[in-house]
Amino acid sequence: NAGVTQTPKFRILKIGQSMTLQCAQDMNHNYMYWYRQDPGMGLKLIYYSVGAGITDKGEVPNGYNVSRSTTEDFPLRLELAAPSQTSVYFCASSWVTETQYFGPGTRLLVL
Amino acid sequence: QQQVKQSPQSLIVQKGGISIINCAYENTAFDYFPWYQQFPGKGPALLIAIRPDVSEKKEGRFTISFNKSAKQFSLHIMDSQPGDSATYFCAASSRGGSEKLVFGKGTKLTVNP
Repeated sequence: NAGVTQTPKFRILKIGQSMTLQCAQDMNHNYMYWYRQDPGMGLKLIYYSVGAGITDKGEVPNGYNVSRSTTEDFPLRLELAAPSQTSVYFCASSWVTETQYFGPGTRLLVL
Repeated sequence: QQQVKQSPQSLIVQKGGISIINCAYENTAFDYFPWYQQFPGKGPALLIAIRPDVSEKKEGRFTISFNKSAKQFSLHIMDSQPGDSATYFCAASSRGGSEKLVFGKGTKLTVNP
């Protein structure tokens, strides 16, 4: 099993551009999550999904959108990128337990 | 409002010493308390977790101590090794919260040889 995979690993965006961060898991987990990690601030939940077709906002959803058309994939969309979205983004998944498995992260720089 | 407060922000320990990281929570509905370990450039990974029906859980050199009345829990790393150098996050969740974890801000541990 590959676990949770994320692409790209690193990306530089200009202010106002948009992009999609990809996340896929092959563990048949129903729960999936997107976090952002800023230095000294821990992990903040952006969006989460409890199954295909169901998504909900987390703590910091503004400026982001998600979709969950399949169990495996949970892409995160950034529209009109802003410098405040410079961060490291982690995708995670879990079964109906609390143990979340994290991907390797995507480092995003908005200039 | 931060629901899980973690301290210290950074910690330096000599090889063989004991590393102690503390967390406090406010929400009495929390019933699951995991610790995650994160190495530079990697995603966090579950290290050890505890539920409030026990006061202590040990896995190898790692121990969680839990004090329900004080709403505090801590991670103890015995015989700390340079390979333990990482950032550690405590977290908490409640079953009624759709399994959402609330994380502390993290502790960067450095174990000197």
